[in-house]
Amino acid sequence: GAVVSQHPSRVICKSGTSVKIECRSLDFQATTMFWYRQFPKQSLMLMATSNEGSKATYEQGVEKDKFLINHASLTLSTLTVTSAHPEDSSFYICSARDGKETDEQYFGPGTRLTVT
Amino acid sequence: GQNIDQPTEMTATEGAIVQINCTYQTSGFNGLFWYQQHAGEAPTFLSYNVLDGLEEKGRFSSFLSRSKGYSYLLLKELQMKDSASYLCAVMDSNYQLIWGAGTKLIIKP
Repeated sequence: GAVVSQHPSRVICKSGTSVKIECRSLDFQATTMFWYRQFPKQSLMLMATSNEGSKATYEQGVEKDKFLINHASLTLSTLTVTSAHPEDSSFYICSARDGKETDEQYFGPGTRLTVT
Repeated sequence: GQNIDQPTEMTATEGAIVQINCTYQTSGFNGLFWYQQHAGEAPTFLSYNVLDGLEEKGRFSSFLSRSKGYSYLLLKELQMKDSASYLCAVMDSNYQLIWGAGTKLIIKP
């Protein structure tokens, strides 16, 4: 089946620094990738949708200058949390949609970010 | 390797009851989640089980047996709006989510 990986799996950083999280589709080409954040026992909150080669579409309330998304290739999207603060500590999950299967979404294992 | 199995698709009748099963083999266990996802929308959290037994929440219940690596989501009094994909996910010993492929539930009148 389709596999999506994320790197790193967990990261601890100091307040004010930037962190980059990678999302890769390992055995398929993802024309669309989604970035979510999840707080404990809550629903996944969609942050942004990125299409390969174009600018990401951010959900209302998500700061695009703080959460930089780059989808430079069909297998890689990156989320950079700039000038991270403790309130940015969360579980970030990406998913990828195979361009051939419009309804199928494959989820990554998540990245746990802790900002101290 | 780590693996989550759930049926690809199920069909049920409005007003009836349906049980969606999920079996898992993971490196460690830190809880099992069920999500509902309507097409084009973000997954919605339904339940979290970390101890054996049944958790009831309105029309939805979730059961876990850690010794059997098994969970099910039970939906009662089905409504047409329950037509969606249901995702089972297990958090492993590294607090990583292992996702099932999802079960597409089709509700017929």
